[in-house]
Amino acid sequence: DVKVTQSSRYLVKRTGEKVFLECVQDMDHENMFWYRQDPGLGLRLIYFSYDVKMKEKGDIPEGYSVSREKKERFSLILESASTNQTSMYLCASLITSGLSPTYNEQFFGPGTRLTVL
Amino acid sequence: AQSVTQPDIHITVSEGASLELRCNYSYGATPYLFWYVQSPGQGLQLLLKYFSGDTLVQGIKGFEAEFKRSQSSFNLRKPSVHWSDAAEYFCAVATSGTYKYIFGTGTRLKVLA
Repeated sequence: DVKVTQSSRYLVKRTGEKVFLECVQDMDHENMFWYRQDPGLGLRLIYFSYDVKMKEKGDIPEGYSVSREKKERFSLILESASTNQTSMYLCASLITSGLSPTYNEQFFGPGTRLTVL
Repeated sequence: AQSVTQPDIHITVSEGASLELRCNYSYGATPYLFWYVQSPGQGLQLLLKYFSGDTLVQGIKGFEAEFKRSQSSFNLRKPSVHWSDAAEYFCAVATSGTYKYIFGTGTRLKVLA
């Protein structure tokens, strides 16, 4: 089974702190994604990465950055946390090989609920 | 621009009753379509997907969905709901070439005993 793990289930930070959210997948997936989930808004894409050191902005990248130094790890960084970044953050990964039975399926981690005070 | 609409924010059904969750999409080409379920405090789990072929798709946990191109819909159904089906359900469409998903805003299902 594909496993996507996130470093923390719950996180509480102060306004202005630098925050790192870590995501690791164990199935050699090329693509990885960071979303935030807010009630009534569904999932919104923050950033995604299609290869090591490659990244693209999603729909709401402002206030966030990402890092992908190794294929299995994708980090989301809040440079200076603000209260409006209080949310559930979900990481996902996906395989792009058409030969895989799980081609183009996104596998999700359990999420990190971040509270910024 | 592509979009996904789930018109029902909340749905309540009795245990044993049938269920249909609606999903409409706006996408120029043939879409890749997905239904995910999220139990409280958890990540998302794939229920089923449609890429091509038979428009009636079977998924896990007894769910099925039907792709109707003429109606731009991909509704999720289950003939008999169990209390454990209480969760939030998300429909998504994938944009070709980028593997990016666009998610609907979700439908929260409540099941009455």
